[in-house]
Amino acid sequence: ILNVEQSPQSLHVQEGDSTNFTCSFPSSNFYALHWYRWETAKSPEALFVMTLNGDEKKKGRISATLNTKEGYSYLYIKGSQPEDSATYLCAPSPGNQFYFGTGTSLTVIP
Amino acid sequence: DAGVIQSPRHEVTEMGQEVTLRCKPISGHDYLFWYRQTMMRGLELLIYFNNNVPIDDSGMPEDRFSAKMPNASFSTLKIQPSEPRDSAVYFCASSWGTSYNSPLHFGNGTRLTVT
Repeated sequence: ILNVEQSPQSLHVQEGDSTNFTCSFPSSNFYALHWYRWETAKSPEALFVMTLNGDEKKKGRISATLNTKEGYSYLYIKGSQPEDSATYLCAPSPGNQFYFGTGTSLTVIP
Repeated sequence: DAGVIQSPRHEVTEMGQEVTLRCKPISGHDYLFWYRQTMMRGLELLIYFNNNVPIDDSGMPEDRFSAKMPNASFSTLKIQPSEPRDSAVYFCASSWGTSYNSPLHFGNGTRLTVT
């Protein structure tokens, strides 16, 4: 079992603000890291699969970076919209299993 | 593609009863995972299969829990006997490859309540 920490636990931002969250994980035995978006009453949906140190991925207004040497990943949302309100989960993987953090709950206020 | 299908969506049972949760992964996906979601621990990995073979069951809480995957299109998670502390949402997820290149696709979950 991996010790995965996500911060902050929750975040309220105004529509149009940019924001970012952190995922920290043990840097040893790193294989891959996934980010998921989880809306209330739905299932988690994959955002990014990241594997290489220095990786940067982007999907629309959302982007993520990865530092495997120091064991962290950042998720950025530019110009937050109310539909971005969700819990964002990171899941580092030392092999084929995934260990999820408890997530960052984002609320975007119109 | 219908996605990962779980049944039932909700299950309410009394302590001591046997509970069986079911999952149909996406066709062609070689990996199947069972997760449990609780307020305290978030999403916990219980067990995962590769090509129908259990690979890691170290997350299964105790002997009351068992999981099977008799074929590529069906898996069950059984709790016998059930206890109130088993109340949680249980998710099944599947992927076509390893975590290196394949994200998880989740079902809608089964909300289990044990009274």
